[in-house]
Amino acid sequence: GAVVSQHPSWVICKSGTSVKIECRSLDFQATTMFWYRQFPKQSLMLMATSNEGSKATYEQGVEKDKFLINHASLTLSTLTVTSAHPEDSSFYICSAGEGNSNQPQHFGDGTRLSIL
Amino acid sequence: AQSVTQLDSHVSVSEGTPVLLRCNYSSSYSPSLFWYVQHPNKGLQLLLKYTSAATLVKGINGFEAEFKKSETSFHLTKPSAHMSDAAEYFCVVLSYNFNKFYFGSGTKLNVKP
Repeated sequence: GAVVSQHPSWVICKSGTSVKIECRSLDFQATTMFWYRQFPKQSLMLMATSNEGSKATYEQGVEKDKFLINHASLTLSTLTVTSAHPEDSSFYICSAGEGNSNQPQHFGDGTRLSIL
Repeated sequence: AQSVTQLDSHVSVSEGTPVLLRCNYSSSYSPSLFWYVQHPNKGLQLLLKYTSAATLVKGINGFEAEFKKSETSFHLTKPSAHMSDAAEYFCVVLSYNFNKFYFGSGTKLNVKP
């Protein structure tokens, strides 16, 4: 089946640094990828929709200058958390959809980001 | 607008007994509905999906769900729980207009030996 690979799986870094998370669709092309954030014991919240070759669409309340998204190819989207602070610590999950709109999204295994 | 409500945040069952995880949805259109499972520190795995075909949907690992339009429900069931089923389960509705997923708040399933 369709596989989405997310890297790294765990990041610990100092406050003020920038962290890049990669999301790859391994065996299918994804014109659209999605970035979610999940706080402990909570559901997934959509942060942004990443569109290949164009600007990402951010959800209300998500700072686009803080969370930079690049979707340069049909198999790769990246999320960069710029100047990360402890409140940015969270579990970030990407997903990619196949084909038309009623197909399921395939999720990466997530990236646990811990900012000290 | 689309939304889902998972009525139970925690469900605890004994191994070998049936599982019922409840989900109600709200949608302006005929919805596409999904159930995903998340094990600790992992991403989400698709269990099953409903996309306006058969109302009783069979998924992986013995799970199934029934779409009931009159009740706006899409409850997830399994006849006999296994220890490996302990995880968090999310009911999800897809918006046709915007190709977005709307997640329920999740139900944590605990399976006792």
